Amino acid sequence: AQTVTQSQPEMSVQEAETVTLSCTYDTSESDYYLFWYKQPPSRQMILVIRQEAYKQQNATENRFSVNFQKAAKSFSLKISDSQLGDAAMYFCAYRSPGTASKLTFGTGTRLQVTL
Amino acid sequence: GAVVSQHPSWVICKSGTSVKIECRSLDFQATTMFWYRQFPKQSLMLMATSNEGSKATYEQGVEKDKFLINHASLTLSTLTVTSAHPEDSSFYICSARGLDTQYFGPGTRLTVL
Repeated sequence: AQTVTQSQPEMSVQEAETVTLSCTYDTSESDYYLFWYKQPPSRQMILVIRQEAYKQQNATENRFSVNFQKAAKSFSLKISDSQLGDAAMYFCAYRSPGTASKLTFGTGTRLQVTL
Repeated sequence: GAVVSQHPSWVICKSGTSVKIECRSLDFQATTMFWYRQFPKQSLMLMATSNEGSKATYEQGVEKDKFLINHASLTLSTLTVTSAHPEDSSFYICSARGLDTQYFGPGTRLTVL
C-alpha cells in the first residue's frame, strides 16, 4: 500500500517570503498522480497543484510550484511571495491511475503566515 | 476549477434520528464520488467510494448499514447517517472525481445531541 509522509506538522513564513513544504511517498508503481491540497479555516479543500509522475517537468501554478524528484519519491511544494491568505493546512496526496483509485493523504502541514 | 456543492453545511439533530447529506458536482459529471470524515486537526479519513448506479465500497471499519450511500446519478451522491448518535458528530466531506482530479465539497458539520 502507498503511504504519504509529511514530516513538518507546522511551518511559519513571513509575508512576501518563500516557504517549502515537504512530502515523501512510498510506492512500487511507476505511474501515478500527486497533489497538494489546501484547507483554510473554512475547511474547504482546495486543489493547489497536481503532478503526473510521467512528466519530468515540475508543475507550476502562479506562486506555487513543486519539486518532483521521482527517484527519491519526494514531492515538495514551494510557495513564493507568501500572502496572509496562504495560511492553511496543506495536504499532500497520492493517487494511482484508474477510475476506482483513492487518494492517500499525508497528515498535513499547518502553515502560518506572519507580518 | 470544477465545483462541488454539499448540503446542508451544518446540521444539528437529536440522537436516534437520521440525517441526509447531499453532494452534487455542478459543472461536470462524476462517475466516482467519495465520502470522507474529518476529526479536528486530523487528515481526511475515507469512508466509502461510490460509483454511479452501483453499490458503494466501504472502507474497513465503516458500518455500511449506518452510513447509507446512494449515487443515483452522475452529479448526485447522498450520505445518510442512520440512527445518529453523539459519536457520529463530525465534519463530513464529499468529493467528486472529474477526469484525473478530485474536487471537494465545502463539508457538512454534523452535531448529534
